[in-house]
Amino acid sequence: DSGVTQTPKHLITATGQRVTLRCSPRSGDLSVYWYQQSLDQGLQFLIQYYNGEERAKGNILERFSAQQFPDLHSELNLSSLELGDSALYFCASSVASGQQYEQYFGPGTRLTVT
Amino acid sequence: KNEVEQSPQNLTAQEGEFITINCSYSVGISALHWLQQHPGGGIVSLFMLSSGKKKHGRLIATINIQEKHSSLHITASHPRDSAVYICAPRLLIQGAQKLVFGQGTRLTINP
Repeated sequence: DSGVTQTPKHLITATGQRVTLRCSPRSGDLSVYWYQQSLDQGLQFLIQYYNGEERAKGNILERFSAQQFPDLHSELNLSSLELGDSALYFCASSVASGQQYEQYFGPGTRLTVT
Repeated sequence: KNEVEQSPQNLTAQEGEFITINCSYSVGISALHWLQQHPGGGIVSLFMLSSGKKKHGRLIATINIQEKHSSLHITASHPRDSAVYICAPRLLIQGAQKLVFGQGTRLTINP
């Protein structure tokens, strides 16, 4: 158990809908990362937050957004869902943002868009 | 060309064999992760290294920054080592970290 929690574990929804994925980092970790793992693209970095502020952006679509709240949990919002958004979404956390800090992964949320 | 190349893509071996998975990358990095993903989907970070070699139990990871190459070795492999192993170099871009990922090596260890 990494100490990172994600909810829900599974989510099934229809095209065009909007969903919110939630991540709680390990106690004391200030940085949260979101990743997408799809069958055709593999694992991809989406976005990083550090202490409430956006820190780095990867291949995140404009239909997707994220935020980190004062209690350090983070949410990833996916809107106007398409079939191709079906994937595993992972969050990870680390103590801070520097290169020497390990990232700990959550169990993931499996999103199925029908 | 992908930024990260792993080989082999699939590997089947007998219990007890010595396993090597290779990772080559084409960009400058600040560190590199080796990740393990079991069939259930969960990801565990096995190692994070920026130079030299690290050992944890039967697992050994090495990195050569100059040659842009890393290897993951498993000694005395066991069926419970069956998983997908993913190499993830960490890029440092404008002070922020970004992981890029290899396509993974699917390892199957038969009893």
